[in-house]
Order: sequence, then C-alpha cells, then structure tokens
Amino acid sequence: KAGVTQTPRYLIKTRGQQVTLSCSPISGHRSVSWYQQTPGQGLQFLFEYFSETQRNKGNFPGRFSGRQFSNSRSEMNVSTLELGDSALYLCASSHRAGGPSWVGETQYFGPGTRLLVL
Amino acid sequence: AQKVTQAQTEISVVEKEDVTLDCVYETRDTTYYLFWYKQPPSGELVFLIRRNSFDEQNEISGRYSWNFQKSTSSFNFTITASQVVDSAVYFCALSESNFGNEKLTFGTGTRLTIIP
Repeated sequence: KAGVTQTPRYLIKTRGQQVTLSCSPISGHRSVSWYQQTPGQGLQFLFEYFSETQRNKGNFPGRFSGRQFSNSRSEMNVSTLELGDSALYLCASSHRAGGPSWVGETQYFGPGTRLLVL
Repeated sequence: AQKVTQAQTEISVVEKEDVTLDCVYETRDTTYYLFWYKQPPSGELVFLIRRNSFDEQNEISGRYSWNFQKSTSSFNFTITASQVVDSAVYFCALSESNFGNEKLTFGTGTRLTIIP
C-alpha cells in the first residue's frame, strides 16, 4: 500500500497570504490528523477529521482550518499567514474502521510540507 | 491534561553501544496508548511501536526493545548495538481514550547521534 502523501513538499509564502496544503491518506484509512512542528513548540496537534467531520481541534487560531472529502483526502488552509506559521506541517492517517469511537489506533505520517513565510 | 516528558534532549554514543531513551507520561485516564516514532532528517515520522495501558509486557523487535512500567509512568526505549542508521530524533507520544477525541501528545524528542 502506498503511504500517506502530502503536497506540496515545500512552499514559500509571504506574510498576509493564504496557503492550502493537501494530504492523501493510506488507502482505506478514514481518519486524517494534522500536526504542526516548529523548533520552539515541537509537535502540536492541529485537528482531526473523520468522515468529513472535524472530530477534534487543537489550540490554534481560527486562521487554521481544514476539511475532509468523501474519499478521505484532506486539506488544511492557513489564512493571513504570519512569520510564526513557518513550520513543518505533518499529516497522519489512521484506520478507525470501527468508527469515531475507536481511538488509540496507530497514526501513520506523511513526509510533511515545509512552509516558509517571509 | 496529558503530558509527555523526554528529559534527554540530545544523546551521542559510539556505534555498537547500547542506548536507552527515556519517556515519562502523565494522564488521568485509565485507558491510554503510548507510541514511539523516529524522525530521520527527511522529516517523516516513522512509527516504531504502539502499546496500550493494559499491556505491560516488554517488547523486543530486533535491536529495539521497550520497557513499559505503569508504576513509574514510563515507557523507555532501548537500542542494542547501535548503528549509524539509528541517528534520528525519537519521539514518545500519548493518546488518550475519549470518545471521538483522537490526538497524540508528543514529547519534545531526543536527538540521537551515533558516532561511527
């Protein structure tokens, strides 16, 4: 099976712009989560989607949003970019075959998108 | 709130030495899951192991072994006969079991350098 894929791999934007990142989960996986990794804050949870519904959200401002499509592919959007948004954005998928009540399953990560905001 | 502590920021060992990476967690839940991930320079997090809170058996996989002790809230990771390819940042993570609440809380990571 192919792993989690993320596009683009690298991105350079300027302050005030917006950006959309894409994630394709492992085939058959229904849950997609997003994480932000920075040297200062480490790995932080952004949000999780299951069956096109946001199930959980981390402590990030409303500029960060996401969605999931019927084929489980997910996108995250950051509007009005700030310098501090420069980070590695990681997407992870998990099976959750039993539905949203199944937690603790292994999350498999993609290679990430490196975003640089100038 | 859940918390994961990896007190060792950086470790360097000479190749073929054994090395243990420490992980201490905090959670109020009785059902939870612990993970270790490896992050090589490429950036992708590679899954190594998953353990649920009811299974305290230690696990060995090749040169890797894990010691889970609920009494001390620790889930330590040992690499035996280390190799240069083991150089990476290693993260310990905790997932709590709440309906619909799926998220991983990560430690700050331990950067492991294996010196040839």
